[in-house]
Amino acid sequence: QVQLVESGGGVAQPGKSLRLSCAASGFTFRSYSLHWVRQAPGKGLEWVAVISSDGTDKNYADSVKGRFTISRDKSKNTLYLQMNSLRVDDTAVYYCVRDDNGYCLFDYWGQGTLVTVSS
Amino acid sequence: NFLLTQPHSVSESPGKTVTISCTRSSGSIDSNYVQWYQQRPGSSPRIVISRDDQRPSGVPDRFSGSIDSSSNSASLTISGLKTEDEADYFCQSYDRSNHGGVFGGGTKLTVL
Repeated sequence: QVQLVESGGGVAQPGKSLRLSCAASGFTFRSYSLHWVRQAPGKGLEWVAVISSDGTDKNYADSVKGRFTISRDKSKNTLYLQMNSLRVDDTAVYYCVRDDNGYCLFDYWGQGTLVTVSS
Repeated sequence: NFLLTQPHSVSESPGKTVTISCTRSSGSIDSNYVQWYQQRPGSSPRIVISRDDQRPSGVPDRFSGSIDSSSNSASLTISGLKTEDEADYFCQSYDRSNHGGVFGGGTKLTVL
């Protein structure tokens, strides 16, 4: 069965960095685009970033562009999100999400990892 | 870019039917598929409707989706409401400008 398991969340000070990981299993990793979607406490869902199945195309929400970098390692079946220059409003649960059709059909979600940015 | 607008909350009694709307601010609602996700408290979102009106495997047939071009909106209808349907529901579509997703603000469904 499809599994997406995030890790790497925690507490960071404003301006610092964190790297999230998402270990994927149960499907052919190289065949799917993958996304990060976040949810601030008590708030709605916000799309963050996408990486194409072959890793060549990457796109970001304006709120994270220039600060976050999405990447993937096909040898480890793992998705990453490098988060630099963290801000208080980056505090959220970050979900790793599989895209079924390449047009943001989010068919499988991880359990999420909490990132808290606070001084 | 566009926005998807949902009612903040809806409530209905068990056994009844409820419909949640999702209105697109610009561009045609039928230009890209609309999905619906259910999120129970403390859980990750789960897809309940894909491609406007398709029910993924395992989703009860009490859940249905539709789009209405005249109102530029999508709708999620849940019939025969059960207490287990109490959750937040989010609509979502694709934004060609950045190849990303756009989510509605979410609707809290209370079954009482």
